[in-house]
Amino acid sequence: AQSVTQPDIHITVSEGASLELRCNYSYGATPYLFWYVQSPGQGLQLLLKYFSGDTLVQGIKGFEAEFKRSQSSFNLRKPSVHWSDAAEYFCAVGRGPMDSNYQLIWGAGTKLIIKP
Amino acid sequence: GAGVSQSPRYKVAKRGQDVALRCDPISGHVSLFWYQQALGQGPEFLTYFQNEAQLDKSGLPSDRFFAERPEGSVSTLKIQRTQQEDSAVYLCASSLSADTQYFGPGTRLTVL
Repeated sequence: AQSVTQPDIHITVSEGASLELRCNYSYGATPYLFWYVQSPGQGLQLLLKYFSGDTLVQGIKGFEAEFKRSQSSFNLRKPSVHWSDAAEYFCAVGRGPMDSNYQLIWGAGTKLIIKP
Repeated sequence: GAGVSQSPRYKVAKRGQDVALRCDPISGHVSLFWYQQALGQGPEFLTYFQNEAQLDKSGLPSDRFFAERPEGSVSTLKIQRTQQEDSAVYLCASSLSADTQYFGPGTRLTVL
């Protein structure tokens, strides 16, 4: 069965430091991969996505993620975090009956805490 | 343009009451999804529409849950005889081509 694991429930990072959030997936075919961010009281906002091609993808707000098929990972990175990055981050895998990815399978999320 | 909107944003229901949650997708988006997000968890898929057709309802947890999208635009998720375990945030998302999903702010349902 398809699944997504985000092994870190919470991560605390100092403002200005680099960030890496881990995501591992289990999927039988080439996955569609997503990172979303959820701020308190806000909807889920798409940060970036990978469908095919270059395995390093750039997203909004200075985030990037790298797809590593051999490790079944899609880790999210940012070189220097800002206090406004404090939020919950979700990794998701898209799947569907054909080549659509309509149903997203989600990790449990990683809450990012920024130390001043 | 306007994003996905959901109403109400918050709903408190007594156990056994029926509730209806509304989703207004982005104009022109063919696909519409409902997800349930329990506290401290990631969202879980409930159901999927393509226009007015409900193509997948495999995630609906019981027959007390019902969703419709009669004109291929606005959708309503109805929960009958609410139970405490139904307490969650209900998220709606829409998509132009079933690849990237855009989410509304959610409706937080609390069943007392």
